[in-house]
Amino acid sequence: QVQLQESGPGLVKPSQTLSLTCTVSGGSIGSGAYYWSWIRQRPGKGLEWIGDIYDSGTTFYNPSLKTLVTISVDTSKNQFSLKLTSVTAADTAMYYCARRDLGEGWFDPWGQGTLVIVSS
Amino acid sequence: DIQMTQSPSSLSASVGDRVTITCQASQDISNYLNWYQQRPGKAPKLLIYDASNLGTGVPSRFSGSGSGTDFTLTISSLQPEDIATYYCQHYDNFSPEFTFAPGTKVDFK
Repeated sequence: QVQLQESGPGLVKPSQTLSLTCTVSGGSIGSGAYYWSWIRQRPGKGLEWIGDIYDSGTTFYNPSLKTLVTISVDTSKNQFSLKLTSVTAADTAMYYCARRDLGEGWFDPWGQGTLVIVSS
Repeated sequence: DIQMTQSPSSLSASVGDRVTITCQASQDISNYLNWYQQRPGKAPKLLIYDASNLGTGVPSRFSGSGSGTDFTLTISSLQPEDIATYYCQHYDNFSPEFTFAPGTKVDFK
């Protein structure tokens, strides 16, 4: 079964760029059947969809984050990535990657998540 | 934007109890509503999709119902492993837009 695993720095300084990678195993990211998503959970807050990417490179972003976010895909490595620029303490969160069936609206499965703290 | 609310925000129940969680949308969302379970320290897990369809491998004690603006997640007989926070999530594939409600924390009395 497909598994997703997030990786990246756990500490980022304010105003810098947060960069995370999600590695997919047990299935091909280029199968054409899924969107690959980033979702975050800030401390004491709920879940927030950040954006999706399709294997062709087509992206969709949360309008509230659109100007700061870039999601990219590397099908040769079976990975997709998140970049969030100009981070502040408010971007401290658990970041999850997940899969979404093409044409559907639920996320399944999810990676285990990675905690990113924004602090100087 | 569609706003999603859940009630209660937390509840305490005993093993074997029937537990009901409500999710409400600020406007008609048809059946575009999913439920997730997040155990402490773990990632969310899909329980119910499209309001009433059980996710893969999800025990049959979980069920979902509703359409339009009002939805319900029911656990027919609470088990120890069901201690978790439960979230409903609306989706709009046209925008696309995905909105999670604040969650309901379930623990033992």
